[in-house]
Amino acid sequence: DVKVTQSSRYLVKRTGEKVFLECVQDMDHENMFWYRQDPGLGLRLIYFSYDVKMKEKGDIPEGYSVSREKKERFSLILESASTNQTSMYLCASSLTAFEAFFGQGTRLTVV
Amino acid sequence: EDQVTQSPEALRLQEGESSSLNCSYTVSGLRGLFWYRQDPGKGPEFLFTLYSAGEEKEKERLKATLTKKESFLHITAPKPEDSATYLCAVQKEGYSTLTFGKGTMLLVSP
Repeated sequence: DVKVTQSSRYLVKRTGEKVFLECVQDMDHENMFWYRQDPGLGLRLIYFSYDVKMKEKGDIPEGYSVSREKKERFSLILESASTNQTSMYLCASSLTAFEAFFGQGTRLTVV
Repeated sequence: EDQVTQSPEALRLQEGESSSLNCSYTVSGLRGLFWYRQDPGKGPEFLFTLYSAGEEKEKERLKATLTKKESFLHITAPKPEDSATYLCAVQKEGYSTLTFGKGTMLLVSP
């Protein structure tokens, strides 16, 4: 079974802090994704990566950056956390042209 | 612009009462349509992929179908454990990313 593991289930951070969300997959997938999910807005793509050190902006990249130094690991960075970044963050991985598999999610609260 | 619209937003069924969820889409060059189930506070769980009009996939009480404009997720004789949010997503030819609908929240009462 594909396993996508996010480092934290719940996080509480202060406004202005730099926040790191980590994601690891164990199936040698080339593609990795970061989404955020908010009530009434659904899942929105923040960034994705199709190879090591490669990244592409999604629909809502502002205020975020990413890092992919190894194939299995994809990190989402909130440079200076703000309250409007309070959300559920979901990491996913896939082989090209196949279904994506999701992690369990990180519920981030910025206070 | 790619669009995915799911209806209804919420659906309440009695145990054993069959129904269907709808996912209508607008995308230029569909590679695949995906259905996911999401339980509260958890990540989406993959259910089905459909690639071409006329295709059907089944898993237990769920059956997904695809036409050129929409997909249906049919739930036959649902049980309370089928309660979840069901998400539909499309993938365009030449792309790896998915565009999601906002989901249908299903509640099955005993």
